[in-house]
Amino acid sequence: GENVEQHPSTLSVQEGDSAVIKCTYSDSASNYFPWYKQELGKRPQLIIDIRSNVGEKKDQRIAVTLNKTAKHFSLHITETQPEDSAVYFCAPRGNNNDMRFGAGTRLTVKP
Amino acid sequence: GAVVSQHPSRVICKSGTSVKIECRSLDFQATTMFWYRQFPKKSLMLMATSNEGSKATYEQGVEKDKFLINHASLTLSTLTVTSAHPEDSSFYICSARDWRAAAKGYTFGSGTRLTVV
Repeated sequence: GENVEQHPSTLSVQEGDSAVIKCTYSDSASNYFPWYKQELGKRPQLIIDIRSNVGEKKDQRIAVTLNKTAKHFSLHITETQPEDSAVYFCAPRGNNNDMRFGAGTRLTVKP
Repeated sequence: GAVVSQHPSRVICKSGTSVKIECRSLDFQATTMFWYRQFPKKSLMLMATSNEGSKATYEQGVEKDKFLINHASLTLSTLTVTSAHPEDSSFYICSARDWRAAAKGYTFGSGTRLTVV
């Protein structure tokens, strides 16, 4: 099955700074790479995703980059705000169309 | 957009009893649903993949006789925790994909917080 590693496990930044979270996966057949944001006690919310035929995708302050050769993809958040504080998960989709979640990154944005 | 309704949102049960959790896709057909559990401050762990009209596929280490999954229709999947014990207390959450919209991601239910006392 897919092995997913996510780094760092915690990340603390000052408001306005950038944050980068990296996800490494093992299944070379993975073809869909989403990032989810989860606030305490709530369901994960999809914030951005990318497919294997694209190297980068941007949506306002959020971007995702994909390196299929190296089997990793990263979440980039610019101009961070306190409301960006949450746990972020990557969940690359494998051959069986199931999503395996990374261990999560707790992002804290200090005002 | 695609919506998945999950009930109950919270349940407290006594040890030894069974609890059923339902997930319904409200405006799309979900031939496949995924069941996850999440312990406090931990990630979502895939428990099983639920396929309409056939047996669920369980992940290694997940007891299929304890976590019964039924996916009898294209819009409903249920997870029954049988003979619950305190160590089964967790956040259970389902997800499904709207196969009509391949460009869209997966939709999650709102989750069920199970407490076994």
